[in-house]
Amino acid sequence: NAGVTQTPKFQVLKTGQSMTLQCAQDMNHEYMSWYRQDPGMGLRLIHYSVGAGITDQGEVPNGYNVSRSTTEDFPLRLLSAAPSQTSVYFCASSYSTGVETQYFGPGTRLLVL
Amino acid sequence: GENVEQHPSTLSVQEGDSAVIKCTYSDSASNYFPWYKQELGKRPQLIIDIRSNVGEKKDQRIAVTLNKTAKHFSLHITETQPEDSAVYFCAASIHGNNRLAFGKGNQVVVIP
Repeated sequence: NAGVTQTPKFQVLKTGQSMTLQCAQDMNHEYMSWYRQDPGMGLRLIHYSVGAGITDQGEVPNGYNVSRSTTEDFPLRLLSAAPSQTSVYFCASSYSTGVETQYFGPGTRLLVL
Repeated sequence: GENVEQHPSTLSVQEGDSAVIKCTYSDSASNYFPWYKQELGKRPQLIIDIRSNVGEKKDQRIAVTLNKTAKHFSLHITETQPEDSAVYFCAASIHGNNRLAFGKGNQVVVIP
């Protein structure tokens, strides 16, 4: 199994540009989530999904959209990038709920100029 | 509230000594408390977790203790080794135990 994969590994955007961060898992996990990690701030939940077709907001959802059309994929969309969205983004998945072992992807480092 | 706080923010220990990191949480309904280790440039990985019906759990050199009354839980690392140097994040389940709230992390430095 590849586990949780994320693409790209690194991205530079200009303010106002849009992009999609990809996340996929091959473990048949129902629960998937997106976190952002900023220095001194820990991991903050952006959006999460408890299954295909179901998404919900986390702690810091503004400026981000998600969808879950399949069990495997959970893309994160930045509609109009802002410098405040410069961060490292981690996707994670777990078997059925958020209160089980979460397996993190390798992360995407995003720089918005 | 959903706050999870970790203390101290940075901890330096001599190799072979013990390290203890404490977390406090505010949601009395929380029932799942994991600890994640993140090495520089790597992804967070679960090292140990505990549920609310258990007071202590051990796995080789690491252990976690939980005090539900006081709403705090601690990570204990014994016989520390240089490879234990990392950032450690605690978390607590929130919102009907469907999400995790993470602390801001503790930098542990093991001095050879």
